Amino acid sequence: EADIYQTPRYLVIGTGKKITLECSQTMGHDKMYWYQQDPGMELHLIHYSYGVNSTEKGDLSSESTVSRIRTEHFPLTLESARPSHTSQYLCASSEREGPVFGPGTRLTVT
Amino acid sequence: AQRVTQPEKLLSVFKGAPVELKCNYSYSGSPELFWYVQYSRQRLQLLLRHISRESIKGFTADLNKGETSFHLKKPFAQEEDSAMYYCALRGNSGGYQKVTFGTGTKLQVIP
Repeated sequence: EADIYQTPRYLVIGTGKKITLECSQTMGHDKMYWYQQDPGMELHLIHYSYGVNSTEKGDLSSESTVSRIRTEHFPLTLESARPSHTSQYLCASSEREGPVFGPGTRLTVT
Repeated sequence: AQRVTQPEKLLSVFKGAPVELKCNYSYSGSPELFWYVQYSRQRLQLLLRHISRESIKGFTADLNKGETSFHLKKPFAQEEDSAMYYCALRGNSGGYQKVTFGTGTKLQVIP
């Protein structure tokens, strides 16, 4: 089934650890996005990609990095997690329609 | 720069009352506008887009370029409409298309 998937759904990790949040879509979309959202709050665009080997930083400065080696895969990496990174991370992809969102990863850094 | 403003953080209405969720935007070109909804413990999902001019779950939204608004309306609120609603704008920025979201409005329908 065409969809967008994120793993893990929940992650609790200690300060200083390296983490990678996975995002995959099976819709063949070229455009993919990462948003950061605190519960019930606004979405902040932190990264976007227009296709393989294309990545740009979004409106909100983030210490995370992304890569786009394959069309369907858009992972986000934090080299050294800190408590300030605690948030929900939403991945999305789109073509003509508006972005389709994944279920999100809720990250807690202790 | 593109910007979306949703002035109300919370809107409470009684069941059966009309609903209007406000959205204003700032963008120099021709925008594409969307409404998204997030029900409790569910993922964010597209409700409607201005290009399609459709009604979804009884909701409609009209793009008013003069007032730079894209308000979401429903004549009779239902309890199942209680959710977070986000207005979004897709526009070109530096040669790329970006999608910018408003801060969201929580709609609470009182039985």
